Amino acid sequence: SAVISQKPSRDICQRGTSLTIQCQVDSQVTMMFWYRQQPGQSLTLIATANQGSEATYESGFVIDKFPISRPNLTFSTLTVSNMSPEDSSIYLCSATLWETEAFFGQGTRLTVV
Amino acid sequence: DAKTTQPPSMDCAEGRAANLPCNHSTISGNEYVYWYRQIHSQGPQYIIHGLKNNETNEMASLIITEDRKSSTLILPHATLRDTAVYYCIVRDSGSARQLTFGSGTQLTVLP
Repeated sequence: SAVISQKPSRDICQRGTSLTIQCQVDSQVTMMFWYRQQPGQSLTLIATANQGSEATYESGFVIDKFPISRPNLTFSTLTVSNMSPEDSSIYLCSATLWETEAFFGQGTRLTVV
Repeated sequence: DAKTTQPPSMDCAEGRAANLPCNHSTISGNEYVYWYRQIHSQGPQYIIHGLKNNETNEMASLIITEDRKSSTLILPHATLRDTAVYYCIVRDSGSARQLTFGSGTQLTVLP
């Protein structure tokens, strides 16, 4: 199994600002993903964080709004840029090894005011 | 990945077995059935997965029908801490791909 730590666990931000969320895994993993969970909704995949190259974004999500980095096998960041109240959500980091179950961080609860 | 259908909500009495159904009629031969749960304000937690045989671990049992078009997650003795949203997900285990979450079932365990 893998333990995933996310920072910060929650934040309240002013609109127009940016927030960077960090995800640290305690072991080397194959894949890392970022999800968004809007209030009362299920999880939606934002992107796959690729080590050493640009992330792969899902439809409806763009790099300018959600830049992602993954400098090594155990660490990734997600930035929510130019925030608006509609970005208020829980952002979750996930990691998986080849052919194993996925593990999730506890999430970052973001409120934009 | 195949689509899954789950009831939006279920109640269960504490100490009784909770049986959560899932339909996945379009599942293909190399796709596994995974179950995760999300307790309020926490990240999703892996419960169990299976291909075609029934599976059991310390958390739950997974019963998959012979045609693999549906499955049931069984929590044998539900406690109040099992109150959560339960997600049934079909995924090709041949690659470490992302999970596609549906709406899940809100299980409420009643005292």
